[in-house]
Amino acid sequence: NAGVTQTPKFRVLKTGQSMTLLCAQDMNHEYMYWYRQDPGMGLRLIHYSVGEGTTAKGEVPDGYNVSRLKKQNFLLGLESAAPSQTSVYFCASRNSMNTEAFFGQGTRLTVV
Amino acid sequence: AQSVTQLGSHVSVSEGALVLLRCNYSSSVPPYLFWYVQYPNQGLQLLLKYTSAATLVKGINGFEAEFKKSETSFHLTKPSAHMSDAAEYFCAVSSNFGNEKLTFGTGTRLTIIP
Repeated sequence: NAGVTQTPKFRVLKTGQSMTLLCAQDMNHEYMYWYRQDPGMGLRLIHYSVGEGTTAKGEVPDGYNVSRLKKQNFLLGLESAAPSQTSVYFCASRNSMNTEAFFGQGTRLTVV
Repeated sequence: AQSVTQLGSHVSVSEGALVLLRCNYSSSVPPYLFWYVQYPNQGLQLLLKYTSAATLVKGINGFEAEFKKSETSFHLTKPSAHMSDAAEYFCAVSSNFGNEKLTFGTGTRLTIIP
């Protein structure tokens, strides 16, 4: 029972470097979400997807891009990392609006 | 647009005392409401959810919440706090009618005093 798996769990980047965070779910969920968690700010939605091949912007999309080429995977990209993107990133998935979202264990990203 | 407000970023209660964590929501359509718990260095786990059935919802670990439409509230309670309840708690809202987002509040950190 893998559920939602995030890769990597930790990463340190230098300013200007790029990277991709991978989220994989094995529950055949339609909806997938990327959040960032910062102290005192809760979880803020970066981007989300309502199905394979679709993506949409959340509250804080600037500096991030996403892709959902396969239903089970949702990729979050940082093209040119900035210190302000230091955060813990969570991926979540669910099947419909009234069902619970399942979360990954998070990726702790530090940009120096 | 939908939103959630959690009053009190930090709450401390004595072991055995009542836990009350506040959540107020804003939604132009009937909401679905959720409470999640996050233990240190972990992801979020569902405590309970309201999806338009019974207004008093019971969850795991003895927690419950009551949906009050007139007050736009969904407060989380537990009659007797346990040391293991120390964690961060998040209220979240979503809805149908073309809005696929799941929106979270800023969280409440619960500390249990021995």
